[in-house]
Amino acid sequence: KQEVTQIPAALSVPEGENLVLNCSFTDSAIYNLQWFRQDPGKGLTSLLLIQSSQREQTSGRLNASLDKSSGRSTLYIAASQPGDSATYLCAVYAGNTPLVFGKGTRLSVIA
Amino acid sequence: SAVISQKPSRDICQRGTSLTIQCQVDSQVTMMFWYRQQPGQSLTLIATANQGSEATYESGFVIDKFPISRPNLTFSTLTVSNMSPEDSSIYLCSVLEYPAGPEGEKLFFGSGTQLSVL
Repeated sequence: KQEVTQIPAALSVPEGENLVLNCSFTDSAIYNLQWFRQDPGKGLTSLLLIQSSQREQTSGRLNASLDKSSGRSTLYIAASQPGDSATYLCAVYAGNTPLVFGKGTRLSVIA
Repeated sequence: SAVISQKPSRDICQRGTSLTIQCQVDSQVTMMFWYRQQPGQSLTLIATANQGSEATYESGFVIDKFPISRPNLTFSTLTVSNMSPEDSSIYLCSVLEYPAGPEGEKLFFGSGTQLSVL
């Protein structure tokens, strides 16, 4: 059974700092991995999707990497801003099974 | 990408009552899903809403508690029946899309319904 773990559970950083969020999964037979952002009490916004054949994806200040063989992904946020404060979730998709989510990392960026 | 409208955005309900959550998509989609996120937990899939047939429920979820309708390819409802405080969660509908380009299929979410049961 696929399990997704995100470390740390919570993170507080000063504005301007670069940071890395970690996601690990137990079964490397995935189709893709997706990073989402969730603001309090809100739905999810898809940030980046990495196919199993890819190693990274970039969007603006965000860069997500994937090492499928080791079951790891990282989300790198450059020059963090208070507006980046949210919960970040990673989820893996194995084709014909439901998306499996981690519990998320709650990020606070202090001005 | 699909625009997903979900309502209500939040509600406070009494124990024993039922609430129906609506999900409207601005384009026809084949796959629609309903998720639940309990406080401090990750998202859990409740069911896949199938157009024209019964929903497919995940382990731990049953139709009597979470009846789902999917009358067409752009609309679905989830009802939380006979609610108890343990049903207090965020409920999210999502759709699977296949955007052009190398990304392949991608999951998009509605804005969620925050339900509190007293």
